[in-house]
Amino acid sequence: AQKITQTQPGMFVQEKEAVTLDCTYDTSDQSYGLFWYKQPSSGEMIFLIYQGSYDEQNATEGRYSLNFQKARKSANLVISASQLGDSAMYFCAMREDYGGATNKLIFGTGTLLAVQP
Amino acid sequence: DVKVTQSSRYLVKRTGEKVFLECVQDMDHENMFWYRQDPGLGLRLIYFSYDVKMKEKGDIPEGYSVSREKKERFSLILESASTNQTSMYLCASSLAVTEAFFGQGTRLTVV
Repeated sequence: AQKITQTQPGMFVQEKEAVTLDCTYDTSDQSYGLFWYKQPSSGEMIFLIYQGSYDEQNATEGRYSLNFQKARKSANLVISASQLGDSAMYFCAMREDYGGATNKLIFGTGTLLAVQP
Repeated sequence: DVKVTQSSRYLVKRTGEKVFLECVQDMDHENMFWYRQDPGLGLRLIYFSYDVKMKEKGDIPEGYSVSREKKERFSLILESASTNQTSMYLCASSLAVTEAFFGQGTRLTVV
């Protein structure tokens, strides 16, 4: 069955340092997509980064990069040079592609990141 | 900009009431989703829809139903609200292979 696991309920990081948020997934499909979202205390869900299962290169978006290790079924988010505004809940998500007709999107339990000055 | 609008930000209902949560998106997305978010449990998928009148159960469909009569609107229905359905409800929409866009959420309290 499709599943996303985030084992870190909470993390601290010093401002300007890098931090890695862990995500592992389970699927029997060959075609799928992996996402990371940020949810600040305001509650909005902000899309950060996407990795397709067939993408050869790790995705990057500004200070965010996704460390995709397909054989290990892991999709860790790396935030470089942390800023105070990065303090938020972070969710890993996976979409399974059912031939374009049905796309189920599920989320992990989240990691609460606190950036300390 | 994609806009996903949920009809209410806050809602208080009584046990046993029938509750409708409405979600509208303005970008012609095929997929629409309903989640509930609870502390420590993340976002759990209740139902999703990939086309008008088409629906699929998510991981926690019990006690809920959905309706999608028009492409832009996806409704979540609590047939008989119970206190354990007190939660934050999030609606989202997406194209087939893109990221999902979320509404602002509805905080439902059942008393």
